[in-house]
Amino acid sequence: DIQMTQSPSSLSASVGDRVTITCRASQSINSYLNWYQQKPGKAPKVLIYAASSLQSGVPSRFSGSGSGTDFTLTISSLQPEDFATYFCQQSYSTPPTFGQGTKLEIK
Amino acid sequence: EVQLVESGGGLVQPGGSLRLSCAASGFTFSSYWMHWVRQAPGKGLVWVSRISSDGSSTTYADSVKGRFTISRDNAKNTLSLQMNSLRAEDTAVYHCASLYSSSWSEYFQHWGQGTLVTVSA
Repeated sequence: DIQMTQSPSSLSASVGDRVTITCRASQSINSYLNWYQQKPGKAPKVLIYAASSLQSGVPSRFSGSGSGTDFTLTISSLQPEDFATYFCQQSYSTPPTFGQGTKLEIK
Repeated sequence: EVQLVESGGGLVQPGGSLRLSCAASGFTFSSYWMHWVRQAPGKGLVWVSRISSDGSSTTYADSVKGRFTISRDNAKNTLSLQMNSLRAEDTAVYHCASLYSSSWSEYFQHWGQGTLVTVSA
C-alpha cells in the first residue's frame, strides 16, 4: 500500500495568514492526489483533485500543487470557516490511502 | 441536491454482526462506484471497501476481508455493508462515498455524515 505522510499534524494560525500543508507519498503517484476538508461531526468535503484542480464551489484561496511524491495545499488568506482538519488522499492505486490529517486551529 | 445518508450503526459485542445501509439520492446512483471509508474516534480516514456501479466487482481492505461484505441495490438506490465477526478495532464512524472517475482523476466526490459502530463488551 502507498503510505501518505502529512505535515504538520497540527497548526495554529490567525485569520488572514497564508498556510501551507505538505503531503508526501511513499512512491510516485503522478498527480493522483486529492485534498479534503473535514469539520467536527461532518462529512469530508473535496477541495482539490488531481493535485491542483479546484473543485467547483470551493473558494479560490485554496490551491494545490505538486506531482510525483511531494504535494502542497495552500490557503492564501485564512478565513474563520477554514479552521478544520485537512486530509490528503492518493487515488493512484488500490487501496486508496489517506494522510493522517492536519488539524488547523485558531491562534 | 446529492444526499448520502447512512444508518444501521450501534453498539455490538465482539464477534457480533451489524448491517449498515446508505441511502442515496440526487444523482444517478447506478452510474457510480461506491465506497465505504471509516474513521476511528479522533483518528484519520481509512478505506474499507468498494463496489462497481453494477455490483459485479468488489474489493476489500485486508483488515476486513472475509468478514465484511459490500453490496448494492440500484433499484432502491441503496448501498450496504454486512459486517460479521466484529472486533474492537472495527469501532469507527463509517462513511459511504461516491467516486468520481475520469481519465486523469479519481476522487471521493460526495460523502455521507456517517454512522457510528461501537464494538465493545
